Amino acid sequence: SQQGEEDPQALSIQEGENATMNCSYKTSINNLQWYRQNSGRGLVHLILIRSNEREKHSGRLRVTLDTSKKSSSLLITASRAADTASYFCATDVTSGSRLTFGEGTQLTVNP
Amino acid sequence: KAGVTQTPRYLIKTRGQQVTLSCSPISGHRSVSWYQQTPGQGLQFLFEYFSETQRNKGNFPGRFSGRQFSNSRSEMNVSTLELGDSALYLCASSLPTGPHDYGYTFGSGTRLTVV
Repeated sequence: SQQGEEDPQALSIQEGENATMNCSYKTSINNLQWYRQNSGRGLVHLILIRSNEREKHSGRLRVTLDTSKKSSSLLITASRAADTASYFCATDVTSGSRLTFGEGTQLTVNP
Repeated sequence: KAGVTQTPRYLIKTRGQQVTLSCSPISGHRSVSWYQQTPGQGLQFLFEYFSETQRNKGNFPGRFSGRQFSNSRSEMNVSTLELGDSALYLCASSLPTGPHDYGYTFGSGTRLTVV
C-alpha cells in the first residue's frame, strides 16, 4: 500500500514557470526523498531531506518538510521542457531498509 | 563509476512459467532492494538484501523470492507467473548504512510482460 498521496496527479505548465508538487504521508519517518522517472525508465534521485530538516535546496529544486503535518513539497523553479517526467516522493522509515512511494505527479512542461 | 545494471531489459513470458531477473549494484554498495511498478498499484517494495541475507520483505506472495551473492549481485525469481505480474521491476542499491544524502541508485528496470 502507498504511504502517502501526491498532489496534483498531473500538472501542465509553460517553460520558465515554477512547478510545485505536494506529498503527504502517514507515519513517522527518518527521511523523505524525491525521485524523477522519465517514461517508464528507472528512478533518478533528486533530493533527500531528513526529519530534522525543514528546507533544502539543490540547484533549481527546493524541498520543504513539515513533520507536524506529515507533508512535503517540491518546487522546481524556471522549469524546462527536459523536466517533463513523473515525480515521486518516497518515505524512509528506518533509514536504509525500504522506501514507501507516493502515487506520483506527472509534470508536463510545454516549450 | 558504473550504475546499477539490470538484465534483461525486456522479457515476455507465458502464464505458469517462472522468471529470473538480475541486478548488479554499484561497486561498494552492499544493500540491494527490489520494487515492482504497475499502473494500478504504483511502486511497491518487494524485498531488500544485505550481505546475502534478506533484511526486509514486502507484502508479496511466496512466488516472489530473491537472493544475493557474495559479490552483492542479486537475483529475484517469480514462479508460476500470473498476468498480474506484468510490471516494471526496479532494483536499487545503496550503502549499507543508508541513503545518506545520495538516496538510492536505481537501475533502468526489467519490463516483464506475462501473456
